[in-house]
Amino acid sequence: SQQGEEDPQALSIQEGENATMNCSYKTSINNLQWYRQNSGRGLVHLILIRSNEREKHSGRLRVTLDTSKKSSSLLITASRAADTASYFCASRGPGYNKLIFGAGTRLAVHP
Amino acid sequence: SAVISQKPSRDICQRGTSLTIQCQVDSQVTMMFWYRQQPGQSLTLIATANQGSEATYESGFVIDKFPISRPNLTFSTLTVSNMSPEDSSIYLCSVEGVGAGTEAFFGQGTRLTVV
Repeated sequence: SQQGEEDPQALSIQEGENATMNCSYKTSINNLQWYRQNSGRGLVHLILIRSNEREKHSGRLRVTLDTSKKSSSLLITASRAADTASYFCASRGPGYNKLIFGAGTRLAVHP
Repeated sequence: SAVISQKPSRDICQRGTSLTIQCQVDSQVTMMFWYRQQPGQSLTLIATANQGSEATYESGFVIDKFPISRPNLTFSTLTVSNMSPEDSSIYLCSVEGVGAGTEAFFGQGTRLTVV
C-alpha cells in the first residue's frame, strides 16, 4: 500500500495539554500537508510544509518535517475540547497530482 | 480557496441499486478527485475526474463500478453501481491546483449505507 503511517492511532488528553501526532511516508515528497476531519465529514486543510522546510507554525499548530527519516509531526499546543477530531497527514510526491493520506490519528480532548 | 457543494450528504440504499453523488465547485478547477473512506479508515483515491475525457482510475477501482462524469470545470458526478454492503463508506470529492504549494479542498462528504 502507498498509504503512510501515523501514530498514535488514538490519543486522549485533557484540555490544556499538548498533543503530538507523528506521520511517516514512503516516497520522496514535494510537500506534506495536515488535515483535520470532524465526525466523518469533509477534511479541512490545516498546514502545508514544503520539502525544503523543516518547521512551520500556524497559531497553536507546529509542524516539523524530517525528509531524511521521511517523517513529520504535528503538535497542537494548549489543546481545547473543540480540537477533538481525526487528523491526517497527506504527502504529495514530485510530479504527482495526487495526495497520499496517512492512516490518521483520532484525538479526544477532555474538558 | 474553493467552496464545494456535495450531495446528497447521506443516503441509505438497497443492495443492487446505484447512487449518483454530485460535486459542484464555486470556481473553475483543473483537478477534481473522488475518494472513498471506509468506516474508521483513511482516504483512498478512487479516481481523478478529467474534463472532456475519461476519468483516471486508481488500482482496485474500475469504471463499471464507479462511473464518473466531468462535463465542465465546475461539476462532477460519481456513481456507485450495483451496490453491496461493502460499499458502505463516506465518499468525498476534492479539488486542488497543481504545483508545490497547493492544498486540497473537500466537500462535506456523502455517507452511504447499503442495506
